[in-house]
Amino acid sequence: EIVLTQSPGTLSVSPGERATLSCRASQSLSSNSLAWYQQRPGQAPRLLIYGASSRATDIPDRFSGSGSGTDFTLTISRLEPEDLAVYYCQQYGVSPYTFGQGTKLEIK
Amino acid sequence: QLHLQESGPGLVKPTETLSLTCSVSGDSISSSGYHWGWVRRPPGKALEWIGSVYYSGTTNYNPSLKSRVTISVDKSKSQFSLNLKSVTAADTAEYYCARTFWFVNAFESWGQGTLVTVSS
Repeated sequence: EIVLTQSPGTLSVSPGERATLSCRASQSLSSNSLAWYQQRPGQAPRLLIYGASSRATDIPDRFSGSGSGTDFTLTISRLEPEDLAVYYCQQYGVSPYTFGQGTKLEIK
Repeated sequence: QLHLQESGPGLVKPTETLSLTCSVSGDSISSSGYHWGWVRRPPGKALEWIGSVYYSGTTNYNPSLKSRVTISVDKSKSQFSLNLKSVTAADTAEYYCARTFWFVNAFESWGQGTLVTVSS
């Protein structure tokens, strides 16, 4: 099973600033089969990024993904209050499909 | 637009079977290239993939739950279902049904989720 480790556990950022979230895989991901999800309080997860760097439908360009192999990053530029959420990475290349433990993004 | 809706009991007794159904509207459950899956999030914990089913009935389960899980599809009703037997308090979670991208196993569309509590 591929283990995903996200850091930091909690991140506090001011509105208008940039947030950088990390996801490290225990083995290299084929075809960069990594996704990022946003889960706001009381809501279902929402797909942000797939294929490590492709934005899902209707996702603003403030959200960007990068990385390859075992190290991946989600960057949220120009932070807005609505970005308060837990962010999860997921690998979907090798079954079982696994999620990271999540990064909680707080707005200062 | 695709819409997914979970339904089922919100309270299940220990040792019994948890049964949930996901109703699909806005697209055909028989469309090729998409998988239909279940994901859960225990209170205070991370998301966990339970398993997925293709419209043909082919399934793929998380080995950690495989001995207790059955996921099936009913094309005539445009639904797919989750059965999790011999539940314990550790199975208390928000349960989500979801659909993947076309030929990409990331979950693009999600239901709103349903809380299932295991308690006597």
